[in-house]
Order: sequence, then structure tokens, then C-alpha cells
Amino acid sequence: QTVVTQEPSLSVSPGGTVTLTCGLTSGSVSSNFYPSWYQQTPGQAPRTLIYTTNTRSSGVPDRFSGSILGNKAALTITGAQADDESDYYCALYMRTGIWVFGGGTKLTVL
Amino acid sequence: EVQLVESGGGLIQPGGSLRLSCAASGFAVNSVYMTWVRQAPGKGLEWASVIFSGGNTYYADPVKGRFTISRDNSKNTVYLQMNSLRAEDTAVYYCARVDNYRFESWGQGTLVTVSS
Repeated sequence: QTVVTQEPSLSVSPGGTVTLTCGLTSGSVSSNFYPSWYQQTPGQAPRTLIYTTNTRSSGVPDRFSGSILGNKAALTITGAQADDESDYYCALYMRTGIWVFGGGTKLTVL
Repeated sequence: EVQLVESGGGLIQPGGSLRLSCAASGFAVNSVYMTWVRQAPGKGLEWASVIFSGGNTYYADPVKGRFTISRDNSKNTVYLQMNSLRAEDTAVYYCARVDNYRFESWGQGTLVTVSS
């Protein structure tokens, strides 16, 4: 069974740049998986950041960007801010009607 | 304005059944895909089920055969009927509207606790 992989934790300095990735235990992620990214703070519902690889949802700052890097989907935060400290999840559309989330990345800004 | 409000969560014994509701406003549930995503305490997000605008339904393997997603167009509400509940089904259950392969709008979630 293919699993969606994410870094369990990452850290970034305020103003710095960090890239989170979303891969597969078997195979490569491409735009055909329609990767999407979500931000979640404790006790809150997730917020959609990026969809269809690199489209920002309404109201999402342009310091968040999505791409395919090598064989993975990627979320890059440029100019990180303190309130970017959150959990981040990617989701892949695996086949008709089936999505799978990655395990999430806990991002620390320090 | 799009709004999703989940209800129906609570404490249920293993083997029991529960039906969650997701009342939508600002759009028609039969015009979009609607999905349920769950999150166990302290764990990550897990996609559970979707109902397409055409009525087709799909499920993640852990819930297949036990959960059923449906909708009532007259009430503009989506449901998740959960049977044969297990301790590992304990989670906050979110409903979400799907748009362009993303979970675009989310409800606030409803907590289901399966315990004796």
C-alpha cells in the first residue's frame, strides 16, 4: 500500500525560507495527483493553502508557493513569519474518488 | 457565504452506530463533491469518504463496509452513517466541500469518542 510521506518536523528562522515536501513510498508525485496543501493550528479546522500543485487559495499570502520538485510535491514558505508556526498537511488525489493525506509536518519558527 | 456545520458526535460504545450530519448553507450539496475527513486526537488528517455530485460514493479502506455517506438535497445536508464503531474511529470528523480536487471549505468538526 502506497503511503504519502512528509517530513515529521522542520524549523525555520523568522524571515527565512523553508520547503516542505510530499512524496510517495512507491512512485513519483506529479501534477496528475492534484497536490493540495493545508495549514492547521491546534484546535482549529484546516485551512486550504495551495491546490492543483501551485494555485493559491483566496486570501493566502504569496509567501506560500507550491511546486513539483523532483519526484515530490513541495510547499515553500518564503519570508517565514511567527504565525506560520503550524502543522502542514498535503493531500494527493490517488485515483477516482480517493484522496490520501500525508502524515503532516510540524513547522517551528524560531 | 459558504457554511458547514457538523453535528451528531458523542460517546458511543464499541460496536455501536452513530450518524453524523453536515448542514450546508450558501450552496447546494448536490452540486458539488462533499467529503468527510477525520483526525484522531493528536494525530494527522485522514480522508474518509466522498459523495460526488452525481451520487457516486467512495471510501477509504479503514471505513469501507462500515461507513456510508449520503445526502438529503431537501435539507441540504450530508450524512455519515457509522456502524460497527471501533476505538480507532475516535476522532474529530470534519465535513468539507471539494472544489478543484481540494478540500475548499471546512466545518468546525464534531468529536466522536468510541469507548466502553
